Amino acid sequence: QVQLVQSGAEVKKPGASVKVSCKASGYTFTSNYMHWVRQAPGQGLEWMGIINPSGGSTTYAQKFQGRVTMTRDTSTSTVYMELSSLRSEDTAVYYCARDVNLRGPDYWGHGTLVTVSA
Amino acid sequence: EIVLTQSPGTLSLSPGERATLSCRASQSVSINYLAWYQQKPGQAPSLLIYNTFRRATGIPDRFSGSGSGTDFTLTISRLEPEDFAVYYCQQYGSSLTFGGGSKVEIK
Repeated sequence: QVQLVQSGAEVKKPGASVKVSCKASGYTFTSNYMHWVRQAPGQGLEWMGIINPSGGSTTYAQKFQGRVTMTRDTSTSTVYMELSSLRSEDTAVYYCARDVNLRGPDYWGHGTLVTVSA
Repeated sequence: EIVLTQSPGTLSLSPGERATLSCRASQSVSINYLAWYQQKPGQAPSLLIYNTFRRATGIPDRFSGSGSGTDFTLTISRLEPEDFAVYYCQQYGSSLTFGGGSKVEIK
């Protein structure tokens, strides 16, 4: 069965960077793009971008351009999302989510809480 | 960027009642790229409906989706206790966007 296992919770200071991992299993890693979506406490879902695990190409939401980097390691079937210049507004649960046929996510990771606090 | 507006923000209903949730887009969305998700507290979203009306694997037939163009609807024919949750619509055109969510709460 498809599983997306994310790294654990992080606490960061403003201005720092965070790197969240998402290890995929149960399917061919390079066959599906991967989205990153975040959710601030009590708020809705916000799309951050997408990576093609096959070639590594990425598309980022305009809001995060210049601050987010998505990468992958095909040897471990893992995708990464790094967000820099963190501010308190970046406190959120970050999800990876597998894309299906470029129409949106089907399976989601369990989420990684990133807390930004001085 | 296509903006999705969901209504109502909160729907208060009793088990067994019918729920009708609306999702309106700021411009036309292909029916192939409109989906609905359910999210329960402390959990990740889960896919309910894709391609506007196709149920995801394991989703009961009390859930149905419809619509075209800029107006889409998720209907839950008879609410079960496990259906009380937040529902999000999502579209994927040049970028992916979500609606703000509709909460279905127990009356």
